Amino acid sequence: GENVEQHPSTLSVQEGDSAVIKCTYSDSASNYFPWYKQELGKRPQLIIDIRSNVGEKKDQRIAVTLNKTAKHFSLHITETQPEDSAVYFCAAGKGGKSTFGDGTTLTVKP
Amino acid sequence: SQTIHQWPATLVQPVGSPLSLECTVEGTSNPNLYWYRQAAGRGLQLLFYSVGIGQISSEVPQNLSASRPQDRQFILSSKKLLLSDSGFYLCAWRSFLMNTEAFFGQGTRLTVV
Repeated sequence: GENVEQHPSTLSVQEGDSAVIKCTYSDSASNYFPWYKQELGKRPQLIIDIRSNVGEKKDQRIAVTLNKTAKHFSLHITETQPEDSAVYFCAAGKGGKSTFGDGTTLTVKP
Repeated sequence: SQTIHQWPATLVQPVGSPLSLECTVEGTSNPNLYWYRQAAGRGLQLLFYSVGIGQISSEVPQNLSASRPQDRQFILSSKKLLLSDSGFYLCAWRSFLMNTEAFFGQGTRLTVV
């Protein structure tokens, strides 16, 4: 089955700096790559997703890049703010099923 | 609009007792439904998913079972809980169109004592 690895497990940045989280996947047939943000004690919520026919997608301060050949994708957050502090999960999926990474705890220091 | 209800929010159960967690979805038809477990500091492990009434796929062997008695109802059960069943359980739904985002319920914090 699919195997997703996510790095780093924890990330601390200064407010205003950029944050980058990277994921690799094993199944070349995976074609959907969502990113979820989970605040403490709350449910995960989608922040951005990308499909395998696209190499990059941007939504305001958030961007995701996908390298299908290398089977890795990354989340980029620019101009980080304290409210960006949360756990971020990547996932790789096909056919309605997604395998999640173990998450990255992002802390943005004011 | 679509909403997903999951209950209870927290649950403390003794070892060996049964379990029933319920999840319902409103505002959509024929959703794909999922049960995930999230261990502390870890990612989301897919336990079961269902593409239709009575259709259940199990992803990992375990002490749990799932049922889908109605189109928008998904139930997670156990006959006898183990200490290792403790965790944060999340129900989710996704459009049957595939490759769309998953919408999660509020989660159930289960502690087996």
